[in-house]
Amino acid sequence: TQLLEQSPQFLSIQEGENLTVYCNSSSVFSSLQWYRQEPGEGPVLLVTVVTGGEVKKLKRLTFQFGDARKDSSLHITAAQPGDTGLYLCAGALMAAGNKLTFGGGTRVLVKP
Amino acid sequence: EADIYQTPRYLVIGTGKKITLECSQTMGHDKMYWYQQDPGMELHLIHYSYGVNSTEKGDLSSESTVSRIRTEHFPLTLESARPSHTSQYLCASSDDITGELFFGEGSRLTVL
Repeated sequence: TQLLEQSPQFLSIQEGENLTVYCNSSSVFSSLQWYRQEPGEGPVLLVTVVTGGEVKKLKRLTFQFGDARKDSSLHITAAQPGDTGLYLCAGALMAAGNKLTFGGGTRVLVKP
Repeated sequence: EADIYQTPRYLVIGTGKKITLECSQTMGHDKMYWYQQDPGMELHLIHYSYGVNSTEKGDLSSESTVSRIRTEHFPLTLESARPSHTSQYLCASSDDITGELFFGEGSRLTVL
């Protein structure tokens, strides 16, 4: 069982639709990061959330950190083909000296 | 743009060969990491270093070894490659203040 569970594992939608990716755990994190990875490249940081209940917006992307700092979500509004990629959440685990743990990833395909 | 570089990008070798994957960063980061990732799948931490002459094994057992003689350099070596080592290897370093991970573009290894 993974410390950070991401769902869904795979998501295929049409351009213009909305999508939400979830990242859940029973552990508390001091912070949580979201990365996007395109084929053949390394992951790139999208956002870091630190405070329970925090909401951050990055253009069409909205990130939320749960009140208890155990879960997070990423919502994309009006998805575009350029949003296609592997989305990874990574949590800094308080009980392990803030060591970063990755979720299993969500593969998103936005079809034109 | 991240200043972290990996070579080679692609490597195809025969079973039993010794290989070294190079990773260099020019950001002065103390913390560096090696992850193993099958295409489109989750990241598995195999080695990390918190500074010169410091190396630790990660969450996923690996037959590879690493060294950290200089801050900017964190090479990974496989003494005798096997087909089961076929994968993508991602190197990363992290900012001590923000915790952001900066990834290289990866080294895709195929062992025949």
